[in-house]
Amino acid sequence: DAKTTQPPSMDCAEGRAANLPCNHSTISGNEYVYWYRQIHSQGPQYIIHGLKNNETNEMASLIITEDRKSSTLILPHATLRDTAVYYCIVRVYGSSNTGKLIFGQGTTLQVKP
Amino acid sequence: KAGVTQTPRYLIKTRGQQVTLSCSPISGHRSVSWYQQTPGQGLQFLFEYFSETQRNKGNFPGRFSGRQFSNSRSEMNVSTLELGDSALYLCASSLTGESYEQYFGPGTRLTVT
Repeated sequence: DAKTTQPPSMDCAEGRAANLPCNHSTISGNEYVYWYRQIHSQGPQYIIHGLKNNETNEMASLIITEDRKSSTLILPHATLRDTAVYYCIVRVYGSSNTGKLIFGQGTTLQVKP
Repeated sequence: KAGVTQTPRYLIKTRGQQVTLSCSPISGHRSVSWYQQTPGQGLQFLFEYFSETQRNKGNFPGRFSGRQFSNSRSEMNVSTLELGDSALYLCASSLTGESYEQYFGPGTRLTVT
């Protein structure tokens, strides 16, 4: 699986959009980009995933660059409850990688009032 | 639908002892993965079980083992505990293990003294 690079920490004002970048310059064509987050003392929570098109769900939007070497997770209106560590993961979907996620160090997002 | 449950939530053991942790996946999920989380190494994949068979394994010593029962519940066992085994142990369930989303439990906090 390709490696990812994320900034160690970011701040965001409550109510504003939080834009979390991720670099995955060695991503291959069949690797998906996943985002999870971990709120303090809880298990990680799935947020969103994508292959090459931009994706949106009730939690967030995922913007993947055309060359797929980087992506941005967007939380449109950050709240204090969004304070967490956000992990960007690149993973091949399929039987070669069953049940396995490789977590990096992630980005600690601090949402401030 | 009930989430992933893990028992016990907290555990204190002594070096040399063994420990068994339990995980009940979301109803209908057949894949259970286990992860270890420490401040130094972050989240690391231990192994994955599907239909009572270990399908994938991380880079951990043989002291770490697991099993899965016919109802998809899973246990992991750590024998001859070492101080370095102190960690948060997380399990995650998914429909097939190849699924996009894994759902994590709250974890078991193991302290080895």
